[in-house]
Amino acid sequence: GQQLNQSPQSMFIQEGEDVSMNCTSSSIFNTWLWYKQDPGEGPVLLIALYKAGELTSNGRLTAQFGITRKDSFLNISASIPSDVGIYFCAATSNTGNQFYFGTGTSLTVIP
Amino acid sequence: GAVVSQHPSWVICKSGTSVKIECRSLDFQATTMFWYRQFPKQSLMLMATSNEGSKATYEQGVEKDKFLINHASLTLSTLTVTSAHPEDSSFYICSASEENIQYFGAGTRLSVL
Repeated sequence: GQQLNQSPQSMFIQEGEDVSMNCTSSSIFNTWLWYKQDPGEGPVLLIALYKAGELTSNGRLTAQFGITRKDSFLNISASIPSDVGIYFCAATSNTGNQFYFGTGTSLTVIP
Repeated sequence: GAVVSQHPSWVICKSGTSVKIECRSLDFQATTMFWYRQFPKQSLMLMATSNEGSKATYEQGVEKDKFLINHASLTLSTLTVTSAHPEDSSFYICSASEENIQYFGAGTRLSVL
């Protein structure tokens, strides 16, 4: 199925640095989601966005639903070692029966 | 948030045997559940969409007779890998959707010897 364009593919950063990743699509969506996956586990929902322009925070995480409804970004401030993992964006239209996923961003935090 | 339970978390089986994986939505009813396969360091690959009370919709290239899906109730979907072979070894993840959000199970690691 269709996949969202997610970048960067991987990041290696020092502890304490901020992180930014984004997803783009050629299609319009009504919901954007960001997940984190630890090794050997299923993805865990971080943030859900429902309205164009919406900016939502969850602790050190901030995500925005793009005005065009074709993109979203996720920022992590002051990274810590437990932020290590793979981050996926996802998007869906109103039906919620079809979801599209980004290719993932692998984050490594160097203490 | 909603909770999805997946069982077992890890299974080892002999080649030729069948393995059943269960996916349950614990605190909500899910008319739609999804089954994914994930290879190391790769994104989720959708295998099929499971609809309660009807046949699953399989993605192109996924053998429906190989990967049997049953969604008999609003809280349970099962994936049976029939006559498993070593190439079926992988990480399988289920999810259930509620209000435009997918909630994932913890995944099942299948190792076929």
